[in-house]
Amino acid sequence: SQTIHQWPATLVQPVGSPLSLECTVEGTSNPNLYWYRQAAGRGLQLLFYSVGIGQISSEVPQNLSASRPQDRQFILSSKKLLLSDSGFYLCAWSGLADFTGELFFGEGSRLTVL
Amino acid sequence: AQSVTQPDIHITVSEGASLELRCNYSYGATPYLFWYVQSPGQGLQLLLKYFSGDTLVQGIKGFEAEFKRSQSSFNLRKPSVHWSDAAEYFCAVGDPGGYQKVTFGTGTKLQVIP
Repeated sequence: SQTIHQWPATLVQPVGSPLSLECTVEGTSNPNLYWYRQAAGRGLQLLFYSVGIGQISSEVPQNLSASRPQDRQFILSSKKLLLSDSGFYLCAWSGLADFTGELFFGEGSRLTVL
Repeated sequence: AQSVTQPDIHITVSEGASLELRCNYSYGATPYLFWYVQSPGQGLQLLLKYFSGDTLVQGIKGFEAEFKRSQSSFNLRKPSVHWSDAAEYFCAVGDPGGYQKVTFGTGTKLQVIP
Protein backbone atom coordinates (compact mmCIF):
# COMPACT_ATOMS: atom_id res chain seq x y z
CA SER A 1 0.00 0.00 0.00
CA GLN A 2 1.01 3.59 -0.50
CA THR A 3 2.27 5.75 2.32
CA ILE A 4 3.43 9.33 2.58
CA HIS A 5 5.89 10.62 5.13
CA GLN A 6 6.52 14.21 6.03
CA TRP A 7 9.10 15.66 8.40
CA PRO A 8 9.80 17.32 10.67
CA ALA A 9 6.38 17.34 12.31
CA THR A 10 7.10 20.53 14.25
CA LEU A 11 9.63 23.27 13.62
CA VAL A 12 10.37 26.56 15.37
CA GLN A 13 12.72 28.81 13.43
CA PRO A 14 13.93 32.42 13.79
CA VAL A 15 13.23 34.99 11.12
CA GLY A 16 15.89 34.93 8.44
CA SER A 17 16.87 31.31 8.96
CA PRO A 18 16.64 28.68 6.20
CA LEU A 19 13.97 26.01 5.90
CA SER A 20 13.78 22.51 4.54
CA LEU A 21 10.69 20.33 4.78
CA GLU A 22 10.82 16.88 3.24
CA CYS A 23 8.14 14.60 1.91
CA THR A 24 8.51 11.09 0.52
CA VAL A 25 5.97 8.71 -0.93
CA GLU A 26 6.26 4.93 -0.89
CA GLY A 27 4.39 2.25 -2.76
CA THR A 28 3.69 4.13 -5.98
CA SER A 29 5.55 5.43 -9.01
CA ASN A 30 5.35 8.71 -10.90
CA PRO A 31 3.00 10.43 -8.47
CA ASN A 32 1.86 14.02 -8.70
CA LEU A 33 3.21 15.79 -5.64
CA TYR A 34 1.84 18.86 -3.91
CA TRP A 35 2.71 21.30 -1.17
CA TYR A 36 -0.15 23.12 0.55
CA ARG A 37 -0.05 25.66 3.33
CA GLN A 38 -2.83 26.03 5.84
CA ALA A 39 -2.96 29.29 7.72
CA ALA A 40 -5.63 30.12 10.28
CA GLY A 41 -8.85 31.13 8.57
CA ARG A 42 -7.44 30.78 5.07
CA GLY A 43 -8.04 27.16 4.24
CA LEU A 44 -5.55 25.25 2.12
CA GLN A 45 -3.45 27.28 -0.25
CA LEU A 46 -1.71 25.39 -3.05
CA LEU A 47 1.95 26.41 -3.10
CA PHE A 48 3.60 24.04 -5.56
CA TYR A 49 2.81 20.95 -7.53
CA SER A 50 4.97 18.61 -9.57
CA VAL A 51 4.14 16.07 -12.25
CA GLY A 52 7.68 14.71 -12.56
CA ILE A 53 11.31 14.94 -11.52
CA GLY A 54 12.55 18.50 -11.82
CA GLN A 55 9.12 19.75 -12.93
CA ILE A 56 7.77 22.30 -10.47
CA SER A 57 4.80 24.61 -10.90
CA SER A 58 4.42 27.51 -8.53
CA GLU A 59 0.98 28.79 -7.72
CA VAL A 60 1.75 31.74 -5.48
CA PRO A 61 4.72 34.12 -5.64
CA GLN A 62 6.39 33.92 -2.28
CA ASN A 63 9.47 33.35 -0.20
CA LEU A 64 9.46 29.60 -0.75
CA SER A 65 10.74 27.18 -3.36
CA ALA A 66 10.25 23.50 -4.07
CA SER A 67 12.36 20.79 -5.62
CA ARG A 68 11.83 17.22 -6.71
CA PRO A 69 15.22 15.55 -6.88
CA GLN A 70 13.78 12.03 -7.05
CA ASP A 71 10.53 10.56 -8.30
CA ARG A 72 8.99 10.19 -4.85
CA GLN A 73 10.69 13.00 -2.95
CA PHE A 74 9.42 16.55 -2.68
CA ILE A 75 11.23 19.26 -0.74
CA LEU A 76 9.99 22.67 0.37
CA SER A 77 12.71 25.24 1.08
CA SER A 78 13.40 28.80 1.96
CA LYS A 79 16.67 30.69 2.16
CA LYS A 80 15.36 33.25 4.66
CA LEU A 81 12.14 32.73 6.57
CA LEU A 82 9.63 35.50 7.18
CA LEU A 83 7.11 35.75 9.99
CA SER A 84 4.37 35.27 7.40
CA ASP A 85 5.77 31.83 6.53
CA SER A 86 4.35 30.41 9.75
CA GLY A 87 1.66 27.83 9.18
CA PHE A 88 0.79 24.20 8.77
CA TYR A 89 2.38 22.66 5.68
CA LEU A 90 0.86 19.63 4.06
CA CYS A 91 2.40 17.41 1.44
CA ALA A 92 0.12 15.31 -0.74
CA TRP A 93 0.29 12.93 -3.69
CA SER A 94 -2.08 11.74 -6.36
CA GLY A 95 -1.85 9.22 -9.17
CA LEU A 96 -0.38 10.62 -12.36
CA ALA A 97 -1.37 7.99 -14.89
CA ASP A 98 -4.97 7.89 -13.73
CA PHE A 99 -5.36 11.35 -12.30
CA THR A 100 -8.70 11.76 -10.59
CA GLY A 101 -7.85 14.64 -8.32
CA GLU A 102 -8.05 12.50 -5.19
CA LEU A 103 -5.22 13.51 -2.91
CA PHE A 104 -3.51 11.56 -0.16
CA PHE A 105 -2.07 13.74 2.55
CA GLY A 106 0.80 13.48 4.97
CA GLU A 107 0.37 14.33 8.61
CA GLY A 108 1.67 17.86 8.17
CA SER A 109 4.53 20.01 9.44
CA ARG A 110 3.81 22.90 11.76
CA LEU A 111 6.22 25.77 11.25
CA THR A 112 6.45 28.66 13.68
CA VAL A 113 8.69 31.56 12.71
CA LEU A 114 9.66 33.82 15.60
CA ALA B 1 -9.55 29.50 -13.14
CA GLN B 2 -11.28 27.04 -10.88
CA SER B 3 -12.39 28.15 -7.42
CA VAL B 4 -14.36 26.88 -4.45
CA THR B 5 -16.48 28.81 -1.97
CA GLN B 6 -17.52 27.54 1.42
CA PRO B 7 -19.72 30.31 2.80
CA ASP B 8 -19.92 29.01 6.36
CA ILE B 9 -16.73 29.40 8.37
CA HIS B 10 -18.13 27.85 11.52
CA ILE B 11 -21.25 25.76 12.20
CA THR B 12 -22.58 24.43 15.49
CA VAL B 13 -25.09 21.58 15.62
CA SER B 14 -26.51 19.45 18.38
CA GLU B 15 -25.61 15.79 18.49
CA GLY B 16 -28.24 13.81 16.63
CA ALA B 17 -29.30 16.73 14.49
CA SER B 18 -28.95 16.81 10.73
CA LEU B 19 -26.09 18.60 9.02
CA GLU B 20 -25.60 20.35 5.71
CA LEU B 21 -22.34 22.04 4.74
CA ARG B 22 -22.43 24.24 1.68
CA CYS B 23 -19.99 24.29 -1.21
CA ASN B 24 -20.13 26.24 -4.47
CA TYR B 25 -17.60 25.91 -7.22
CA SER B 26 -16.55 27.79 -10.31
CA TYR B 27 -15.35 25.79 -13.29
CA GLY B 28 -15.93 25.84 -17.03
CA ALA B 29 -17.29 22.32 -17.25
CA THR B 30 -18.09 19.53 -14.83
CA PRO B 31 -15.16 19.18 -12.47
CA TYR B 32 -14.14 16.47 -10.12
CA LEU B 33 -15.54 17.32 -6.69
CA PHE B 34 -14.42 16.21 -3.26
CA TRP B 35 -15.08 16.57 0.42
CA TYR B 36 -12.25 16.09 2.90
CA VAL B 37 -12.26 16.10 6.68
CA GLN B 38 -9.44 17.24 8.95
CA SER B 39 -9.12 16.52 12.65
CA PRO B 40 -7.03 19.02 14.66
CA GLY B 41 -3.32 18.84 13.87
CA GLN B 42 -3.80 16.10 11.30
CA GLY B 43 -3.73 15.68 7.56
CA LEU B 44 -6.88 15.46 5.47
CA GLN B 45 -8.97 12.37 4.83
CA LEU B 46 -11.23 11.92 1.84
CA LEU B 47 -14.92 11.61 2.72
CA LEU B 48 -16.37 11.26 -0.76
CA LYS B 49 -15.89 12.21 -4.39
CA TYR B 50 -17.89 12.90 -7.52
CA PHE B 51 -16.60 12.32 -11.03
CA SER B 52 -19.70 11.65 -13.11
CA GLY B 53 -22.95 9.70 -13.12
CA ASP B 54 -25.30 9.62 -10.16
CA THR B 55 -25.40 13.08 -8.64
CA LEU B 56 -25.90 11.76 -5.12
CA VAL B 57 -22.73 10.19 -3.80
CA GLN B 58 -22.23 8.25 -0.62
CA GLY B 59 -19.09 8.49 1.45
CA ILE B 60 -17.57 7.18 4.61
CA LYS B 61 -18.88 7.81 8.12
CA GLY B 62 -22.47 8.16 6.89
CA PHE B 63 -21.88 11.30 4.81
CA GLU B 64 -23.39 12.00 1.42
CA ALA B 65 -23.20 14.87 -1.05
CA GLU B 66 -25.30 15.97 -3.96
CA PHE B 67 -23.95 17.54 -7.13
CA LYS B 68 -26.28 20.18 -8.59
CA ARG B 69 -25.01 21.46 -11.89
CA SER B 70 -27.61 24.23 -12.16
CA GLN B 71 -26.49 25.67 -8.84
CA SER B 72 -22.78 24.85 -9.16
CA SER B 73 -23.04 23.27 -5.74
CA PHE B 74 -21.83 20.16 -4.00
CA ASN B 75 -23.28 20.25 -0.49
CA LEU B 76 -22.34 17.73 2.16
CA ARG B 77 -25.04 16.17 4.36
CA LYS B 78 -25.43 13.81 7.25
CA PRO B 79 -28.82 12.88 8.74
CA SER B 80 -27.61 12.51 12.34
CA VAL B 81 -24.39 14.05 13.62
CA HIS B 82 -22.19 12.31 16.17
CA TRP B 83 -19.83 14.08 18.57
CA SER B 84 -16.89 12.48 16.72
CA ASP B 85 -17.85 14.41 13.57
CA ALA B 86 -16.48 17.60 15.09
CA ALA B 87 -13.69 18.61 12.71
CA GLU B 88 -12.96 20.91 9.82
CA TYR B 89 -14.44 20.08 6.43
CA PHE B 90 -13.01 21.10 3.09
CA CYS B 91 -14.62 21.06 -0.31
CA ALA B 92 -12.27 20.75 -3.28
CA VAL B 93 -12.42 20.83 -7.06
CA GLY B 94 -10.10 18.99 -9.42
CA ASP B 95 -9.46 19.63 -13.08
CA PRO B 96 -10.47 16.64 -15.22
CA GLY B 97 -8.66 18.24 -18.13
CA GLY B 98 -5.46 16.70 -16.86
CA TYR B 99 -4.00 19.86 -15.47
CA GLN B 100 -3.38 18.00 -12.22
CA LYS B 101 -4.45 20.91 -10.05
CA VAL B 102 -6.75 20.61 -7.04
CA THR B 103 -8.19 23.70 -5.39
CA PHE B 104 -9.64 23.77 -1.89
CA GLY B 105 -12.20 25.97 -0.21
CA THR B 106 -11.43 27.80 3.02
CA GLY B 107 -13.10 25.14 5.14
CA THR B 108 -16.02 24.90 7.56
CA LYS B 109 -15.33 24.13 11.18
CA LEU B 110 -18.02 21.94 12.71
CA GLN B 111 -18.73 22.03 16.42
CA VAL B 112 -21.04 19.39 17.91
CA ILE B 113 -22.74 20.13 21.21
CA PRO B 114 -24.37 17.50 23.44
